[in-house]
Amino acid sequence: AQKITQTQPGMFVQEKEAVTLDCTYDTSDPSYGLFWYKQPSSGEMIFLIYQGSYDQQNATEGRYSLNFQKARKSANLVISASQLGDSAMYFCAMREGPSNFNKFYFGSGTKLNVKP
Amino acid sequence: DTGVSQDPRHKITKRGQNVTFRCDPISEHNRLYWYRQTLGQGPEFLTYFQNEAQLEKSRLLSNRFSAERPKGSFSTLEIQRTEQGDSAMYLCAIPQPGQGNSPLHFGNGTRLTVT
Repeated sequence: AQKITQTQPGMFVQEKEAVTLDCTYDTSDPSYGLFWYKQPSSGEMIFLIYQGSYDQQNATEGRYSLNFQKARKSANLVISASQLGDSAMYFCAMREGPSNFNKFYFGSGTKLNVKP
Repeated sequence: DTGVSQDPRHKITKRGQNVTFRCDPISEHNRLYWYRQTLGQGPEFLTYFQNEAQLEKSRLLSNRFSAERPKGSFSTLEIQRTEQGDSAMYLCAIPQPGQGNSPLHFGNGTRLTVT
């Protein structure tokens, strides 16, 4: 089974609007971390936001927030007030287990296009 | 400067040739990871090192692939007898320095094209 599933290959959003990128995950380990990365067309992978499995509150980083629904095993990324520079691929990732140094599993990504 | 330098940035080779990529983390960390990313997909785990010890290898890493980290700092990834299916971006990563929860910090990758 896929560890990370991103069901939206592509999304469009109007500039200044909010957008939600979906991510579901599969693990039986009670301890895990969820991450979102942005990959612009230039290719670098940029870390955006982290959510731990034991965190009680949803993570936020500036315009990024993570809608963490543990029972549903979903970790959706919400980008508020979209900007043209947000156009990129977005990847959801999971690290299983309590160690901070275990390998990551990545989803297949969502391509976000922000329209002016 | 991403903190992880990869060389070369691009490599075009003919099928059957051997290629070697290098990863140089600017900040030292005992963990170093290799991932492969094909077009339109997310990165896939290949292998990782704890210092010079290779701790885990993915089944994606056929016997044509070998990775080393001889002194626990830089790492090399060699592909022997390249095939067209090896065409991909090869990414090196370390746990992000100074960042809690240790997200992976990636280099800019080596893009391999096998003709």
